Amino acid sequence: EADIYQTPRYLVIGTGKKITLECSQTMGHDKMYWYQQDPGMELHLIHYSYGVNSTEKGDLSSESTVSRIRTEHFPLTLESARPSHTSQYLCASSKIGTGAWEQFFGPGTRLTVL
Amino acid sequence: AQKVTQAQTEISVVEKEDVTLDCVYETRDTTYYLFWYKQPPSGELVFLIRRNSFDEQNEISGRYSWNFQKSTSSFNFTITASQVVDSAVYFCALVSGSARQLTFGSGTQLTVLP
Repeated sequence: EADIYQTPRYLVIGTGKKITLECSQTMGHDKMYWYQQDPGMELHLIHYSYGVNSTEKGDLSSESTVSRIRTEHFPLTLESARPSHTSQYLCASSKIGTGAWEQFFGPGTRLTVL
Repeated sequence: AQKVTQAQTEISVVEKEDVTLDCVYETRDTTYYLFWYKQPPSGELVFLIRRNSFDEQNEISGRYSWNFQKSTSSFNFTITASQVVDSAVYFCALVSGSARQLTFGSGTQLTVLP
């Protein structure tokens, strides 16, 4: 069982609101990621981090921002939510080392913007 | 560049049938890693297997088996004696030496009927 947590699990919010999706992991992993996924569709990387104070944008352009002040915490913020942001957001983490290591995923946040 | 193709969008089988999910990948690197993940209806991604490009041994884990063939750039996944609980979306993913992030296929929705 992976120890990675996301809150809230479900969020319904009106257009223009600021929201923060929380993600925490207790595995001491240096790498963390945010993916956006429409139901049943492929995952798109929107942000990643290799450690504290390190953040990069992923392949899919996103209006969201992230921060990494603590190793275990990687929150994602939308300053002004829009209906086009409606999606599932998945957080993941992995360890750093030689080669590529599996990512462990949180349960996801299903966001609906009205 | 790296790419993963899962040509089977949806598969339906009757319980106890065997089923194979196809995954074809593209990369120019000689060092790469392949992964399979399961996404049940609850939404989280569950890691199933990691394989590096230097290890072509097939793997079996209970009812699951994986066939890695570099000659055809394929990493197929077989479920033997399928069960209703196997119903999920299955994703194949790749990370190669020159790319730093996972590339996911579009997923295969597997439905196992009782």
